[in-house]
Amino acid sequence: GQNIDQPTEMTATEGAIVQINCTYQTSGFNGLFWYQQHAGEAPTFLSYNVLDGLEEKGRFSSFLSRSKGYSYLLLKELQMKDSASYLCAVRDNAAGNKLTFGGGTRVLVKP
Amino acid sequence: SQTIHQWPATLVQPVGSPLSLECTVEGTSNPNLYWYRQAAGRGLQLLFYSVGIGQISSEVPQNLSASRPQDRQFILSSKKLLLSDSGFYLCAWSVMEWTGQYEQYFGPGTRLTVT
Repeated sequence: GQNIDQPTEMTATEGAIVQINCTYQTSGFNGLFWYQQHAGEAPTFLSYNVLDGLEEKGRFSSFLSRSKGYSYLLLKELQMKDSASYLCAVRDNAAGNKLTFGGGTRVLVKP
Repeated sequence: SQTIHQWPATLVQPVGSPLSLECTVEGTSNPNLYWYRQAAGRGLQLLFYSVGIGQISSEVPQNLSASRPQDRQFILSSKKLLLSDSGFYLCAWSVMEWTGQYEQYFGPGTRLTVT
């Protein structure tokens, strides 16, 4: 089976940086995804990591360490609109390449 | 470009009534299709996925079923709803990119309340 852990909630100030950690255990790791989900809306794709290292996309960056079963999503220059849940998902080729999602981290950005 | 539609957007149904949620994808061929459920404040639970017409895999035992009558149509059904079926139902599609990236794209969702 798979186990994906991420913090339930985080609070940060507008303009600051927040790092959302995700740890996972899988038997056939084949990629890690981060999604953003605003309340009442569908998740939208943010980033994908399959090799170790940092992927940067504007204000958002995602890091992966396969040996540690660890990823983080870094949100820089926080804006009020970044208040949302952030979902970590792992693809496992031993499970038909399906995605397994963590419970999500709700980020609240305060002025 | 690809788009994914779900309807209805919201639904209130009594316990014991039937259910039919529909999902259609445009702009792509032979996608993998998925049904997820999200309880309030929780993560996504995969219910069903399909790699082709008539091919359905069930992830969790439940009183729900899924069908794929056409390449880009995915239907979630129930004969008798339970209170525990309440939630946010999301349909998603994916295709293998040349990079192997294979991310999933979600529809707008159906919020189901069983009373």
